[in-house]
Amino acid sequence: EPEVTQTPSHQVTQMGQEVILRCVPISNHLYFYWYRQILGQKVEFLVSFYNNEISEKSEIFDDQFSVERPDGSNFTLKIRSTKLEDSAMYFCASSRDRLIGELFFGEGSRLTVL
Amino acid sequence: DAKTTQPPSMDCAEGRAANLPCNHSTISGNEYVYWYRQIHSQGPQYIIHGLKNNETNEMASLIITEDRKSSTLILPHATLRDTAVYYCIVLIATGANSKLTFGKGITLSVRP
Repeated sequence: EPEVTQTPSHQVTQMGQEVILRCVPISNHLYFYWYRQILGQKVEFLVSFYNNEISEKSEIFDDQFSVERPDGSNFTLKIRSTKLEDSAMYFCASSRDRLIGELFFGEGSRLTVL
Repeated sequence: DAKTTQPPSMDCAEGRAANLPCNHSTISGNEYVYWYRQIHSQGPQYIIHGLKNNETNEMASLIITEDRKSSTLILPHATLRDTAVYYCIVLIATGANSKLTFGKGITLSVRP
């Protein structure tokens, strides 16, 4: 069964460092998303991406965040200068059709900022 | 601006049906009801969705009331692995600004 894969599964970084989280969406999917979940809190939408551009972003997704699809398979989330409050689980998701059907989520990348 | 309300938690016995309620009294005509679940800290998993007709798949059944103001997700034979947070979400399936917005969900505990 096809799945969304994310790397790394866990990353520890120092405050102020740049972090890149990587995702390989399901191959025939066209819509890509990043969500995050701070420990004990709700899953929060960050950004959606389609046709090589951002479709929508939340207020969380400020100038410190960026997304990119550098090739035909990877979808990355970059945090330029991490803050303590960026510590969270980051989930990548993809879908074939825009919300008709389901979003397939990866297992997440846990980011710990010290 | 919560569009759905769910009880915070419930439990059921293994092998029995789990009936998870959701109220969405302000749902509009073109909004679908989606159910997802999150097992421990894994990524959310799609379960089922519907507009007005009842739906069934290999995981669950979705019963939507005739006035569409509430729905029930039914896991017909709950197992320990069904212990998870279940999210009921309403949204326009293909709206320009549609996105999945997760609330607190309902924590289902399946007991042996």
